Amino acid sequence: EADIYQTPRYLVIGTGKKITLECSQTMGHDKMYWYQQDPGMELHLIHYSYGVNSTEKGDLSSESTVSRIRTEHFPLTLESARPSHTSQYLCASSGTTGTDTGELFFGEGSRLTVL
Amino acid sequence: AQSVSQHNHHVILSEAASLELGCNYSYGGTVNLFWYVQYPGQHLQLLLKYFSGDPLVKGIKGFEAEFIKSKFSFNLRKPSVQWSDTAEYFCAGSRYNTDKLIFGTGTRLQVFP
Repeated sequence: EADIYQTPRYLVIGTGKKITLECSQTMGHDKMYWYQQDPGMELHLIHYSYGVNSTEKGDLSSESTVSRIRTEHFPLTLESARPSHTSQYLCASSGTTGTDTGELFFGEGSRLTVL
Repeated sequence: AQSVSQHNHHVILSEAASLELGCNYSYGGTVNLFWYVQYPGQHLQLLLKYFSGDPLVKGIKGFEAEFIKSKFSFNLRKPSVQWSDTAEYFCAGSRYNTDKLIFGTGTRLQVFP
């Protein structure tokens, strides 16, 4: 059972608002990721982190930002939300040893709607 | 560019039918390949994975996948599906020794009793 949690699960907000999507994991994983998924489309990597104070942009350009101040926490922030940001955001983590290597553990996702 | 392709977007089957979902990847070199499943209302979870060794990989719930290097394929199979297999299935791949997975667009499987 994956121990990675995302809040909120659903969020509907107006244009221009600042939002933060929370992601926490209790597995002690160093690596964490944010994926964006639109209906019927593949998951696109938008941010990743290999440890505390390490963040990198993924393959899909995103106006969001992330931080990694603690190993277990990897929040994603949109300073000024727009309708084009409407999507599902999935957080994931992975271990670096043994059978965890390469396997991502996903949260349940945060579905964001910007009006 | 690296990519993962899933050709079946929506598959509808009756219980006990056999299943095969296609997945092709465009990587060169050594690759890691995965199938993830997302049941309705649940998070994505790993179904099976291939890193090296026996190209026929067995996963949970009776699923298996075969890595065929010459065809750049990693198709998912199950001999007899159940209604509880209704879900979305994602193929994913990464280059050896990296963790940046590239996902396919997913296949929605509906199984009717």
